[in-house]
Amino acid sequence: EAGVVQSPRYKIIEKKQPVAFWCNPISGHNTLYWYLQNLGQGPELLIRYENEEAVDESQLPKDQFSAERLKGVDSTLKIQPGELGDSAVYLCASSPGGTGRFTGELFFGEGSRLTVL
Amino acid sequence: GQNIDQPTEMTATEGAIVQINCTYQTSGFNGLFWYQQHAGEAPTFLSYNVLDGLEEKGRFSSFLSRSKGYSYLLLKELQMKDSASYLCAVKDSNYQLIWGAGTKLIIKP
Repeated sequence: EAGVVQSPRYKIIEKKQPVAFWCNPISGHNTLYWYLQNLGQGPELLIRYENEEAVDESQLPKDQFSAERLKGVDSTLKIQPGELGDSAVYLCASSPGGTGRFTGELFFGEGSRLTVL
Repeated sequence: GQNIDQPTEMTATEGAIVQINCTYQTSGFNGLFWYQQHAGEAPTFLSYNVLDGLEEKGRFSSFLSRSKGYSYLLLKELQMKDSASYLCAVKDSNYQLIWGAGTKLIIKP
């Protein structure tokens, strides 16, 4: 079974440029998460989807970040404009089931490492 | 506020035993998780505790005391490949995972 696939693995942009990350979750997983992880820190939730609906986006900086999950499968996370403080690893994760059946095990992708110069 | 505390870094010797502690203060509790994360890689699931007591899985064991807001991950017969960060996460009353900052474990020969 294929795992969570993310691309690109690495991206370098100049300040103020836009960037987009793509995630393909494990087949059949209804819940998809985007996390941000800084070095030496735990993951920080940006947005959580149940199928195509964003059910938790309270931590998403909407002046810069946007996300979509069309047809409840693949998802993209966009940053525009990129700022120096956005340099981090962006992790996508998926899990089966909804909130009530959430067992806790998340399956993470390899992550997309962003460097903003 | 919600808070999860774990040591920043620990060092242990190959073949030895190490215990990584995690204390938490969250709005509700629906389970505690340990994940392993090697440098430059994604976190991978290790264990899940929802009831008090010890869960054993091979060389790894995880303990939970809900009354004390405390858990530990016990790693036995340490191997060099166990060098990684170990993340403690708690599922709160909204079924959201609250993550600790992780403990970097360094294994020395």
